[in-house]
Amino acid sequence: TQLLEQSPQFLSIQEGENLTVYCNSSSVFSSLQWYRQEPGEGPVLLVTVVTGGEVKKLKRLTFQFGDARKDSSLHITAAQPGDTGLYLCAGAGVTDSWGKLQFGAGTQVVVTP
Amino acid sequence: DTAVSQTPKYLVTQMGNDKSIKCEQNLGHDTMYWYKQDSKKFLKIMFSYNNKELIINETVPNRFSPKSPDKAHLNLHINSLELGDSAVYFCASRHAGLAFNEQFFGPGTRLTVL
Repeated sequence: TQLLEQSPQFLSIQEGENLTVYCNSSSVFSSLQWYRQEPGEGPVLLVTVVTGGEVKKLKRLTFQFGDARKDSSLHITAAQPGDTGLYLCAGAGVTDSWGKLQFGAGTQVVVTP
Repeated sequence: DTAVSQTPKYLVTQMGNDKSIKCEQNLGHDTMYWYKQDSKKFLKIMFSYNNKELIINETVPNRFSPKSPDKAHLNLHINSLELGDSAVYFCASRHAGLAFNEQFFGPGTRLTVL
């Protein structure tokens, strides 16, 4: 079992501040996704990173995949209340061919006006 | 709208009952999944079907039985419901031919066993 650990578990910040969420594992992943889940809804894919060292930007969100493809981070610049949600990282094993994702336990982000 | 849909959205039932949850996707995907999200928001895969064939079967009690009548539908039947089955169950789909495992999730079914 490839364990994905997310930190912190909970993050409460003021609008305009920056935040970073971490996703770490001792295992190598072929790809890693970040999802955001809002109350009463299913997770929605934000980004997929595939190459070690890869950096992807989605407006104010920056995603990085570690060089060894074992860890990832999500950085939000100038957070807004609309960024509030549960952020989940999910990795696919290097031998997986059926999309069996291992999810982290999630980071609950609350951005207050 | 193209989407992954689940019914019902909420399910409240007594211990010992049998219940089913249905999932449909109109995204043209060939692979579907069932996940269980517990009270701590931990999302864990249960089953997956590809073109109606079972491809992932995690350590789940055999009271849970998935069925895929066609590649657009994946249902989950649960026998003899127990208190510990209370959770949110998510259906998801993807197209196996596309890269990088992106999965599209339904809105979830919140199951409460009393």
